[in-house]
Amino acid sequence: DQQVKQNSPSLSVQEGRISILNCDYTNSMFDYFLWYKKYPAEGPTFLISISSIKDKNEDGRFTVFLNKSAKHLSLHIVPSQPGDSAVYFCAASDVRTGTASKLTFGTGTRLQVTL
Amino acid sequence: KAGVTQTPRYLIKTRGQQVTLSCSPISGHRSVSWYQQTPGQGLQFLFEYFSETQRNKGNFPGRFSGRQFSNSRSEMNVSTLELGDSALYLCASSLEGSPSNYGYTFGSGTRLTVV
Repeated sequence: DQQVKQNSPSLSVQEGRISILNCDYTNSMFDYFLWYKKYPAEGPTFLISISSIKDKNEDGRFTVFLNKSAKHLSLHIVPSQPGDSAVYFCAASDVRTGTASKLTFGTGTRLQVTL
Repeated sequence: KAGVTQTPRYLIKTRGQQVTLSCSPISGHRSVSWYQQTPGQGLQFLFEYFSETQRNKGNFPGRFSGRQFSNSRSEMNVSTLELGDSALYLCASSLEGSPSNYGYTFGSGTRLTVV
């Protein structure tokens, strides 16, 4: 039962354009969401997060949008740079309960930013 | 400050053997969570240790176990290795276990290959 889904395994975007990565979840108990970036043979690096009490959070070139009614979140990267090429994972947590430490991850989207 | 340190980085074991992986969290962090990453499965939560006690557990068989020492360092053990246990094993450390505190940091992982 995949509670967090990233339906696009890969995405190719030109340098300077917007990258939009999508994530859907099924568990309505999730109230905190994170995006991680991962290079091969390295651990995931935290990018940005959002609490369910918000619908948008911005940090530099990265913006995360949350649509609770649709159980959907997206990560926007503007402008995209070649160094953004990596695998992006969305993750969800229920921070209200004792299981906050258990992140549920999607299967990842490989972003390639071309010149 | 030093990041999360996982040792060894690479490991090759034979089916039926057992293996122990180590994770040293960021200084001051008391929670260590373990994840398994396999191709196509994303990251799957194994368990979390907090103050030397297992606080949360994922859906893995009893062959997967762990412990945490008084200095918060954690070890993960897999007994009777199977080919399907080949994966990247990641640990993440945080202050109290909640990802909302921005301290949920991953190590670079241990790549385990079972032959």
